[in-house]
Amino acid sequence: GQNIDQPTEMTATEGAIVQINCTYQTSGFNGLFWYQQHAGEAPTFLSYNVLDGLEEKGRFSSFLSRSKGYSYPLLKELQMKDSASYLCAVMDSNYQLIWGAGTKLIIKP
Amino acid sequence: NAGVTQTPKFRVLKTGQSMTLLCAQDMNHEYMYWYRQDPGMGLRLIYYSASEGTTDKGEVPNGYNVSRLKKQNFLLGLESAAPSQTSVYFCASSYGGSDADTQYFGPGTRLTVL
Repeated sequence: GQNIDQPTEMTATEGAIVQINCTYQTSGFNGLFWYQQHAGEAPTFLSYNVLDGLEEKGRFSSFLSRSKGYSYPLLKELQMKDSASYLCAVMDSNYQLIWGAGTKLIIKP
Repeated sequence: NAGVTQTPKFRVLKTGQSMTLLCAQDMNHEYMYWYRQDPGMGLRLIYYSASEGTTDKGEVPNGYNVSRLKKQNFLLGLESAAPSQTSVYFCASSYGGSDADTQYFGPGTRLTVL
């Protein structure tokens, strides 16, 4: 079967760094996406990884290890506006996105 | 550009009633998708369309029908609504056909079936 696991909820402090883990088992792999979803809003694209390693974009980085079936986004210098759910999605061999349930990130002052 | 729009934003139905959700995109995307999002679960694909006039089933198609008569529009129909269809419905669109295909989402429709 296909499975994506993420923690349900995480708490971090404003100004700190947080890493949100995602492990996956899917039929084939054509890349991994991270989306951000604020409460009551639509998911918005954050990053795409298809090769192993870390990709950095300002305060946001995303890491992928295909051999371990593992990814995480790294959010630095956390701001209150980063409070949101972070959705991990894997594109399988049929180019369909398989979605995790999301991790709700709570930022405290 | 409006991106992806959905109507209505909210709707309350009684069991057995029917309704149609409309999705429109102005990005000239080939692919369009309908998802539902329920608490504690990932987005689940209901139907998708790879081009005007074609549709394919996703993970949870039962109880729904779709049509893509125009490239920019994708309609989701509920013929006889059931309480299990209470959910938030998201439409998305993408260029399609590649592994880096990013999906862009509409604002969602919050549907309650009593």
